[in-house]
Amino acid sequence: DQQVKQNSPSLSVQEGRISILNCDYTNSMFDYFLWYKKYPAEGPTFLISISSIKDKNEDGRFTVFLNKSAKHLSLHIVPSQPGDSAVYFCAAIWSNTGKLIFGQGTTLQVKP
Amino acid sequence: DTAVSQTPKYLVTQMGNDKSIKCEQNLGHDTMYWYKQDSKKFLKIMFSYNNKELIINETVPNRFSPKSPDKAHLNLHINSLELGDSAVYFCASRQDQGPGDSGNTIYFGEGSWLTVV
Repeated sequence: DQQVKQNSPSLSVQEGRISILNCDYTNSMFDYFLWYKKYPAEGPTFLISISSIKDKNEDGRFTVFLNKSAKHLSLHIVPSQPGDSAVYFCAAIWSNTGKLIFGQGTTLQVKP
Repeated sequence: DTAVSQTPKYLVTQMGNDKSIKCEQNLGHDTMYWYKQDSKKFLKIMFSYNNKELIINETVPNRFSPKSPDKAHLNLHINSLELGDSAVYFCASRQDQGPGDSGNTIYFGEGSWLTVV
């Protein structure tokens, strides 16, 4: 039973354009959502997060949107750069348990 | 300074052997984790410890035993290694308490690539 899903295994965008990565979740107890970026042979690196009481959080080129009624969140990267090419993992946590659940990941390729 | 460090980064060993992966965090965090990334690239939680106390224990074989000598260390011991144990193992830590949302961010180590032959 996968509680966090990223249905797009891969995404390819042109440099300078917007990248939109999507994530769905099923457990309404999640109260905090995170995006991680992962390069090959490295650990996941924290990118941006959002609390369940908010619907948007912005950090430079990265914005995360949360739609609680749809149990959906998305990560927007504007403008996309070749260095953004990596695997992006959506993750959710229920603070009481401290258990971080990951999606399957989406491989983003930004073409120059 | 590396915040969450784990050793070794690469480990190749034979079936039936016993091995350990060490993890240390210098962030002063209260909770530490072990995650496993399997061949399908899924990241799945194995264990978590809070102040040396086991909090989360997913359905992991008994051959896997975490040990936390202190709050800053969480080591993973694996007995009687099997071919299916080949994976990447990530250590992570979380503060639990902090201003705003900082307590919920989990930081990961670089990973330990275990290959069982």
